[in-house]
Amino acid sequence: ELKVEQNPLFLSMQEGKNYTIYCNYSTTSDRLYWYRQDPGKSLESLFVLLSNGAVKQEGRLMASLDTKARLSTLHITAAVHDLSATYFCAVFSGYSTLTFGKGTMLLVSP
Amino acid sequence: ETGVTQSPTHLIKTRGQQVTLRCSSQSGHNTVSWYQQALGQGPQFIFQYYREEENGRGNFPPRFSGLQFPNYSSELNVNALELDDSALYLCASSLGGGGTDQPQHFGDGTRLSIL
Repeated sequence: ELKVEQNPLFLSMQEGKNYTIYCNYSTTSDRLYWYRQDPGKSLESLFVLLSNGAVKQEGRLMASLDTKARLSTLHITAAVHDLSATYFCAVFSGYSTLTFGKGTMLLVSP
Repeated sequence: ETGVTQSPTHLIKTRGQQVTLRCSSQSGHNTVSWYQQALGQGPQFIFQYYREEENGRGNFPPRFSGLQFPNYSSELNVNALELDDSALYLCASSLGGGGTDQPQHFGDGTRLSIL
């Protein structure tokens, strides 16, 4: 059974600081997604990572995938308040199943 | 382009009742997946429908069932509701079934509360 672990589960940051969220998964997969969820809202797709070494960037967020280490990272550069949300990684485990981590709640304060 | 829409947005039921949740997929998408998100947790995969057939199922009992219609909209039915069924139910649509690398696009969800 595929297990997806995110850490930290809660992250309080000051504006302007950098930080990394980690997503580890337990079995082989070649597909990983990052989503953002605002309180009371649905999930917004951020990144799709499809191969070992894939790196994608959008604004202050950069995601990478190391399939050999079964690890993905979401790096936040110079955080701003608007990035406050919960971030989920999700791993494709075959035959249509997408397994989510528990999420990382990010709070960015002045 | 019309996004994923779900109805109703909120619902209150009592134990033992039955409920039907509805989802209209994004225009052009032929695959619908359903998830259950308990408070403070990540979404858990219930099942997926592709071209009107169930295309994968998570670890949920048979009282969770679904349908997909020719226009690719979908229903999630839950029988014999239990307190633990209280959650946000999310529908996601995509193109091409489970083998695609396209991201799933999520609706706003239905908040189900069981009393």
